[in-house]
Amino acid sequence: AQSVSQHNHHVILSEAASLELGCNYSYGGTVNLFWYVQYPGQHLQLLLKYFSGDPLVKGIKGFEAEFIKSKFSFNLRKPSVQWSDTAEYFCAVNAPNRDDKIIFGKGTRLHILP
Amino acid sequence: EAGVAQSPRYKIIEKRQSVAFWCNPISGHATLYWYQQILGQGPKLLIQFQNNGVVDDSQLPKDRFSAERLKGVDSTLKIQPAKLEDSAVYLCASIRGAGGLYNEQFFGPGTRLTVL
Repeated sequence: AQSVSQHNHHVILSEAASLELGCNYSYGGTVNLFWYVQYPGQHLQLLLKYFSGDPLVKGIKGFEAEFIKSKFSFNLRKPSVQWSDTAEYFCAVNAPNRDDKIIFGKGTRLHILP
Repeated sequence: EAGVAQSPRYKIIEKRQSVAFWCNPISGHATLYWYQQILGQGPKLLIQFQNNGVVDDSQLPKDRFSAERLKGVDSTLKIQPAKLEDSAVYLCASIRGAGGLYNEQFFGPGTRLTVL
């Protein structure tokens, strides 16, 4: 079965620090990859997604993620975080040629110190 | 456009009681999902509807959980009887059309269920 691993459960950074959140998945076939974000008191929302093409994907609010197929990874990055980036971040994978289910990681809680 | 609506937002029940959650997806969205999110974990898909038909309910514990979307719009998720391990946030999401996850999934605010 597919699985998604997010290595960091809780990350604390100061404003202006660089961010990288790890995400690895287990399925070797064609995958679609997603990062979702949940800001405090708000709904889960899509941050960015990868289906095909350029493996470097840019999302909203200055976030980007890079799909590295050989490493089964889809890490999320931001060069300079802001206090407003405090949220929980979920990586998710979907295998459209397999069962087409979306599998979420356990999430990383990011806390930015002002 | 209005978002995905869910009610109630919070529910506290005792084990062995029944509970129902309601979801109203974004207007025109054909595909609807119910997820269970246990504290400290990511959302887990329970059931997927396309219009009023079930596409995938392989992860729905059918001995106690049921869901319906009779007119292809609103949906209800029921638990009967509830167990302690059903304590979680139940999320509803919808997607425009039937193109699967190639279209963006919009989530509702969730219903937080506590089973005592």
